[in-house]
Amino acid sequence: EAQVTQNPRYLITVTGKKLTVTCSQNMNHEYMSWYRQDPGLGLRQIYYSMNVEVTDKGDVPEGYKVSRKEKRNFPLILESPSPNQTSLYFCASRGTGRAYGYTFGSGTRLTVV
Amino acid sequence: QKEVEQDPGPLSVPEGAIVSLNCTYSNSAFQYFMWYRQYSRKGPELLMYTYSSGNKEDGRFTAQVDKSSKYISLFIRDSQPSDSATYLCAMNVISSGSARQLTFGSGTQLTVLP
Repeated sequence: EAQVTQNPRYLITVTGKKLTVTCSQNMNHEYMSWYRQDPGLGLRQIYYSMNVEVTDKGDVPEGYKVSRKEKRNFPLILESPSPNQTSLYFCASRGTGRAYGYTFGSGTRLTVV
Repeated sequence: QKEVEQDPGPLSVPEGAIVSLNCTYSNSAFQYFMWYRQYSRKGPELLMYTYSSGNKEDGRFTAQVDKSSKYISLFIRDSQPSDSATYLCAMNVISSGSARQLTFGSGTQLTVLP
């Protein structure tokens, strides 16, 4: 089944403790993105990648890092999480030929205390 | 001002009603216009997309784009309880070396009552 897989689904952590949210897609997509979703603000892009080793900032990149060493994986790294990063996070991917065809993962609900 | 504005609702309608969901935008460069549906505790899923202006119909769903007014709509006919979800509009610009991906509205929460 074609899908984007995120792990973990739920995570509670403490301020300052480094964490990584993994994202993997099995569709050989070139584009991958990370979004956060907050009430009243909708989905905001954190980082995106157009291909292996090619990444760039989205609208809200502060406090996050990403890497794209393999085409299928696009982990999101929070080096020193803070409470304002408590949010619902989504990874998404699409192929180059489908400008509209984004596939989203099921989400990671992160709470930083 | 946000690039994409969407009424958050919530919107409650009786089963069988016609539902109209709308977004306005400010960036005239947007080329693709999409509607995503998001059920509770799930990721958004693409419902419909339109390239440039015009209408597109898919079963009970119709998407409309009016680029002159910078306004897009999603109509749901004969709404069903299973249509209860949050509907997100999204738009993007496709250009060589484009740095931006999707820009979303904040979503409208719809409940269809049996």
